[in-house]
Amino acid sequence: ILNVEQSPQSLHVQEGDSTNFTCSFPSSNFYALHWYRWETAKSPEALFVMTLNGDEKKKGRISATLNTKEGYSYLYIKGSQPEDSATYLCAFMYNFNKFYFGSGTKLNVKP
Amino acid sequence: EAQVTQNPRYLITVTGKKLTVTCSQNMNHEYMSWYRQDPGLGLRQIYYSMNVEVTDKGDVPEGYKVSRKEKRNFPLILESPSPNQTSLYFCASSFVRKTGGTEAFFGQGTRLTVV
Repeated sequence: ILNVEQSPQSLHVQEGDSTNFTCSFPSSNFYALHWYRWETAKSPEALFVMTLNGDEKKKGRISATLNTKEGYSYLYIKGSQPEDSATYLCAFMYNFNKFYFGSGTKLNVKP
Repeated sequence: EAQVTQNPRYLITVTGKKLTVTCSQNMNHEYMSWYRQDPGLGLRQIYYSMNVEVTDKGDVPEGYKVSRKEKRNFPLILESPSPNQTSLYFCASSFVRKTGGTEAFFGQGTRLTVV
């Protein structure tokens, strides 16, 4: 089983703060890196699929970067809002059909 | 609407009583898989399927069975559930994108308690 680590485990921020989290994964045999947003009692929702070293993706106030050579990805949220409160999961893939998930970063944004 | 549907959403059962959790997708995806999520751990793959009648073990297959008789359905079977199978289960279907990488869609989860 491959080791995918996310930090921090949880984060409490005030509305308007910007924040970032880290996903670390094996630096060899890279196929893709995914970020998901997961709200309790809902399906994990795909944010980004990243496949190339140096990839940068952006969706609204959320962005992500990828470094496959050193095995890490950052997720940034600019100007956090209460509706951003969720668990953010990253998943590493070394082939097309197998995901290895980190344990997630739980974000709580206080109004 | 593209979706992955799991049933039931919640289930409490007793040790040893066979149960099936159903999963259905309407996107004609070839790949489907089952995961379990336990506190402090990432989602761990139980079984996956690359197409009809093609299934293989994931990382934590013990105590589970699956079948893929039709492309859209991928049920998870617990022949003799035990309390250590109490968990949150997710079904996913996925496809390989032409631009690279795989895109996956998840069901809403089934919270199973085995007493």
